Amino acid sequence: EDQVTQSPEALRLQEGESSSLNCSYTVSGLRGLFWYRQDPGKGPEFLFTLYSAGEEKEKERLKATLTKKESFLHITAPKPEDSATYLCAVQAEETSGSRLTFGEGTQLTVNP
Amino acid sequence: GAVVSQHPSWVICKSGTSVKIECRSLDFQATTMFWYRQFPKQSLMLMATSNEGSKATYEQGVEKDKFLINHASLTLSTLTVTSAHPEDSSFYICSATGLFSEGYTFGSGTRLTVV
Repeated sequence: EDQVTQSPEALRLQEGESSSLNCSYTVSGLRGLFWYRQDPGKGPEFLFTLYSAGEEKEKERLKATLTKKESFLHITAPKPEDSATYLCAVQAEETSGSRLTFGEGTQLTVNP
Repeated sequence: GAVVSQHPSWVICKSGTSVKIECRSLDFQATTMFWYRQFPKQSLMLMATSNEGSKATYEQGVEKDKFLINHASLTLSTLTVTSAHPEDSSFYICSATGLFSEGYTFGSGTRLTVV
């Protein structure tokens, strides 16, 4: 069974204080790992897709990396508007119907 | 980029009535659509997967007669909550993917409150 575990559950940072969110996964074979941002009362907003170990992607203050067992979302010099819940999801190679398995998310709060 | 429109954004209904939620892909053909349910401070729980023109595949524990899913075209899927009860109150989110879209695009969600 595919499993995704995110840590920490919640993270509180000061503006400008860089940090990383972790996503550990167990799948039979990884087709893709996805990062989403979700604001309260909204649907998830796509950030990145990573496909193979060693791959990295960047977008503004965010950088996602991938190994064979986990992914990190690095946040450099965060701003209050980066406050949100960050969700990690995996799609397994043998998954029928292209379904995603989500982690529980990390709730990030950036204080000014 | 790919856009998925979900309506309504919120709805309040009386217990025993039915509610329909629409999910439209605006600029791509959604070959597969997914319906999720999310409780406060919890992650997304997949309810069902639907492919255009086919019957939806429901996850274990999801009542297919209560949560009716229709995916009759490549741009529209609907979720109908039949005979709604207060325990059906939740945040429902749709997601879509297609041949020429990257990843999975989510709708903005529907907050359902059954009173």
